[in-house]
This record gives sequence, structure tokens and C-alpha cells, in this order.
Amino acid sequence: DAGVIQSPRHEVTEMGQEVTLRCKPISGHDYLFWYRQTMMRGLELLIYFNNNVPIDDSGMPEDRFSAKMPNASFSTLKIQPSEPRDSAVYFCASQGPGAIRTDTQYFGPGTRLTVL
Amino acid sequence: QKEVEQDPGPLSVPEGAIVSLNCTYSNSAFQYFMWYRQYSRKGPELLMYTYSSGNKEDGRFTAQVDKSSKYISLFIRDSQPSDSATYLCAMKGNAGNMLTFGGGTRLMVKP
Repeated sequence: DAGVIQSPRHEVTEMGQEVTLRCKPISGHDYLFWYRQTMMRGLELLIYFNNNVPIDDSGMPEDRFSAKMPNASFSTLKIQPSEPRDSAVYFCASQGPGAIRTDTQYFGPGTRLTVL
Repeated sequence: QKEVEQDPGPLSVPEGAIVSLNCTYSNSAFQYFMWYRQYSRKGPELLMYTYSSGNKEDGRFTAQVDKSSKYISLFIRDSQPSDSATYLCAMKGNAGNMLTFGGGTRLMVKP
């Protein structure tokens, strides 16, 4: 398996623009997590899905952030409008059957977002 | 106060040294404890996984959990330059799949 795939790997945008981050989980996994990592706050869980349904979005910082999972193989995290304080590395992780441990989260390579 | 505390480092050691990385936590409901390794500009990858208290060994790596003290450790024997990375502890309770991460300790092993 190719692992968790994220795109784009790098995104530079201007304040006020819409940003869409994409994630393809490992095939067969039924959990998908979105994290944000910054030097100041470390790795923070934003939202997670089970079987495409959002289970906990308490980590989503503001209404400017939204996430969807229209099917088992694709998820998006959207920021609209973006602000400089949203600059961070955003990770997607998946978990589920077929892995050595079904409760292990496998992380993608991340999207490095810079908002000018 | 954060639920999981971890010294950010950086921790610099010579090749071959024994490394000790630690986390403290406050939530007594945590039962599962993990160590993730994160290389620069990469995603975290699971390194060690332990349940409840005790030790677990895997090659040069040993994970220890002391639930009475709310303290977990990762030991690396015969450290190598390739061990240079950020090490994040993570933990969760019996219910749910949400992990709580420490802030990570940056380790540098010098040849």
C-alpha cells in the first residue's frame, strides 16, 4: 500500500484566500484523523471520522475550518478565509483493519501551509 | 497545564550513548501508551506501543510505563545518527480512538 497520501505537500497563499487540503487514507481503514502541528502548540487533533461520519470536531478552531469525507477514500480540510495564524503543517492519519495493529494511526507526509 | 508534558529538548548525545526520553501525564484514565518518531519534514510513525504498566523491548528500544507515577519513558541503546528525530509520546484511554500527544523531544545523535 502507498500509505496515507496528502496533497498538496506545500501550499503558500495570501490571507483571505480559500485553502483546501486533501487526504487519501490507506485502503480499508475506517478511521480518518486531521491534525495540525505547530512549534507552539505541538500536534493537535482537529477532527476525526469513522466510516465517513464526523465523530468529534471539538478541535476545529473556528467556523473558518470545515472537513468532509464524501467517501471512504477521500477527505478534505478547508479553511475559508485563511489567516496567517493558520500557518502550520497539517497531517492526515488513518486507522483500521488490515494493519498490524488495528488501533494504530498511520500518518501521511503532511501539508505545509503558509498564509502570508 | 497540558495533559501530557514532554521536554522539547533538543537533546544532543554522542553516537553509542544511551538515550532516555520521558513524558509525564495527568489523566489517570490513560491506559495505552505510544511513542512516535518523526523525522524532519515527515509524518510521525509508530515506534513503540504498550498497554498499562510495565516494560516492552524491541531491539535497541525499550518503553517503560509507570502508571503510579504517571510517567513513561523510552530508552534507546547504542544510539545511532539515524535515530536523530523528534520523539512524541502519545496516549489514550479505554474508550475511543483519540490520542493525546506530548509536544515532542528533538534528539540529535552526533557521529
